[in-house]
Amino acid sequence: NAGVMQNPRHLVRRRGQEARLRCSPMKGHSHVYWYRQLPEEGLKFMVYLQKENIIDESGMPKERFSAEFPKEGPSILRIQQVVRGDSAAYFCASSRAHRGLEQYFGPGTRLTVT
Amino acid sequence: EDKVVQSPLSLVVHEGDTVTLNCSYEVTNFRSLLWYKQEKKAPTFLFMLTSSGIEKKSGRLSSILDKKELFSILNITATQTGDSAIYLCAVEAEGSGGSNYKLTFGKGTLLTVNP
Repeated sequence: NAGVMQNPRHLVRRRGQEARLRCSPMKGHSHVYWYRQLPEEGLKFMVYLQKENIIDESGMPKERFSAEFPKEGPSILRIQQVVRGDSAAYFCASSRAHRGLEQYFGPGTRLTVT
Repeated sequence: EDKVVQSPLSLVVHEGDTVTLNCSYEVTNFRSLLWYKQEKKAPTFLFMLTSSGIEKKSGRLSSILDKKELFSILNITATQTGDSAIYLCAVEAEGSGGSNYKLTFGKGTLLTVNP
């Protein structure tokens, strides 16, 4: 039973380019969460999605960031016109339901903006 | 804003020592508290605590929650070098509208166990 998969594992982008991060949840999981881990800081919640729906995006910056979880395929976190401050590790987690069950984390994507 | 504070931020011990990691929280609509171990990559789940005073145990690790005083501790006995990691505490809280849950993480405790 494969765990949560994220790709790419490492992504280098120049300032102004777009970054697309992908997350495939565990089999049987229909809830996906994205977190950002900045250097020297803890994991911060960004967005929670179910299939085709954004449930809670209260942690996501209002500009340049968007997320989707289509009916088919992985969840995508998209960052447009990246800046140096976007450099971080982005983790995706999934769960079977959103109540009372633990979230399983993927290995993360380390984004470096040069 | 929901807040989770862990202490100490870092800790260095020798193999065989016992350590206690602390996590205090201030959240609205608390649901559960979770502990994760983060080595080089993704956090891996250790415990979920929802009720006060009931100890959860897994091998040399144990954890307990105090919902009155709003804190939890994670104990590791007879530490080994393989226990070296960042230990993250997270609180699951009900979001707005009563239908969503999100985790708020503390900054973690970096534990180093020397041989």
